[in-house]
Amino acid sequence: SQQGEEDPQALSIQEGENATMNCSYKTSINNLQWYRQNSGRGLVHLILIRSNEREKHSGRLRVTLDTSKKSSSLLITASRAADTASYFCATDAGWGGKLIFGQGTELSVKP
Amino acid sequence: DTGVSQNPRHKITKRGQNVTFRCDPISEHNRLYWYRQTLGQGPEFLTYFQNEAQLEKSRLLSDRFSAERPKGSFSTLEIQRTEQGDSAMYLCASSLGSGTATNEKLFFGSGTQLSVL
Repeated sequence: SQQGEEDPQALSIQEGENATMNCSYKTSINNLQWYRQNSGRGLVHLILIRSNEREKHSGRLRVTLDTSKKSSSLLITASRAADTASYFCATDAGWGGKLIFGQGTELSVKP
Repeated sequence: DTGVSQNPRHKITKRGQNVTFRCDPISEHNRLYWYRQTLGQGPEFLTYFQNEAQLEKSRLLSDRFSAERPKGSFSTLEIQRTEQGDSAMYLCASSLGSGTATNEKLFFGSGTQLSVL
């Protein structure tokens, strides 16, 4: 079963705009990760935030984590058409590092 | 290319047939995962190996599914007596970790797309 719920399910924006995706989860976590998936391909790791961190940046990506609300957000600034993909949050909650993925947000960036 | 490799990329089979998929992880990675993904959904965990030991199997996985990882290198996922509901993308991922340590990240293959007619 899925651990996370992502919001929105789909997002369409213009190139240059910012895109924000949200993820909520149910149980305590060790860390939360975001992955990107282009159509028909495997997932690619974007960024990891640990349970004791509140915010993290990587290039045009900004991730926040609120463990009291069991939620995270991913912000992509100055979006490009090449950012068009599905984005998934994943939580590492248990022994051995199994990741549980959310349902994903499908992002479309129009040139 | 030293990434995670999955074969075949596509598999079309008739209901009731058996199918087997192969995953070659990144060579130094000791952890290997199988996930299943249907259209519009996130990957769903199936099973997990640390070296050659299968440490966890999803309760959602029927007895028709079996996975192996002989010698802790490549892994195979077999589905017996396939059903139309088995149609999905089967993803393999690997990582490097020890004991019960959490993962820093997973490296995914491109997946095997299974269509059961």
